[in-house]
Amino acid sequence: LAKTTQPISMDSYEGQEVNITCSHNNIATNDYITWYQQFPSQGPRFIIQGYKTKVTNEVASLFIPADRKSSTLSLPRVSLSDTAVYYCLVGGSNYQLIWGAGTKLIIKP
Amino acid sequence: DSGVTQTPKHLITATGQRVTLRCSPRSGDLSVYWYQQSLDQGLQFLIQYYNGEERAKGNILERFSAQQFPDLHSELNLSSLELGDSALYFCASSPGTAQGEQYFGPGTRLTVT
Repeated sequence: LAKTTQPISMDSYEGQEVNITCSHNNIATNDYITWYQQFPSQGPRFIIQGYKTKVTNEVASLFIPADRKSSTLSLPRVSLSDTAVYYCLVGGSNYQLIWGAGTKLIIKP
Repeated sequence: DSGVTQTPKHLITATGQRVTLRCSPRSGDLSVYWYQQSLDQGLQFLIQYYNGEERAKGNILERFSAQQFPDLHSELNLSSLELGDSALYFCASSPGTAQGEQYFGPGTRLTVT
């Protein structure tokens, strides 16, 4: 069963690019990798999803190496409002969902 | 607004009691997921239903049970409540099975005293 590991916390500054890496060594062949953002007392919100290589949308990019044992969420030019907890989720195949413990990102002015 | 509704928003009850949390998924979504999030903790996946059938089980206690009804709304039943059951309970829905984006509701905050 896949297990996801991500840093507990990270700090950065406004205008910087932030990269958060998730490790998932036992990812199954058909599993997808999804990232969510959560603000205090709110439900998580979808950011981006990918299977391999690179995916980009209007808010983030997701980099997945060929072996798919890790993934990196990239947030370009962060602002104070990006302060939140970011979760990595691996799964989908065999109906199993493995959530990481979350990375608390603090953006400083 | 994700389109997922959860009631009640807050619930305060005593140890040993039983409560029912309700979730209405987004229109057209067939899958419903339940999660528990204790204070300053990560999300704990409890259970998933797809079109009325249980599809996946996570760390759900035997004191907890859930079901999805023909109109696709779902209920999570928590019984013999303990202080440690105090948490935010989230429901999420998605169009199909576990792949793809999940849409989370606002959560029900349960306080057991």
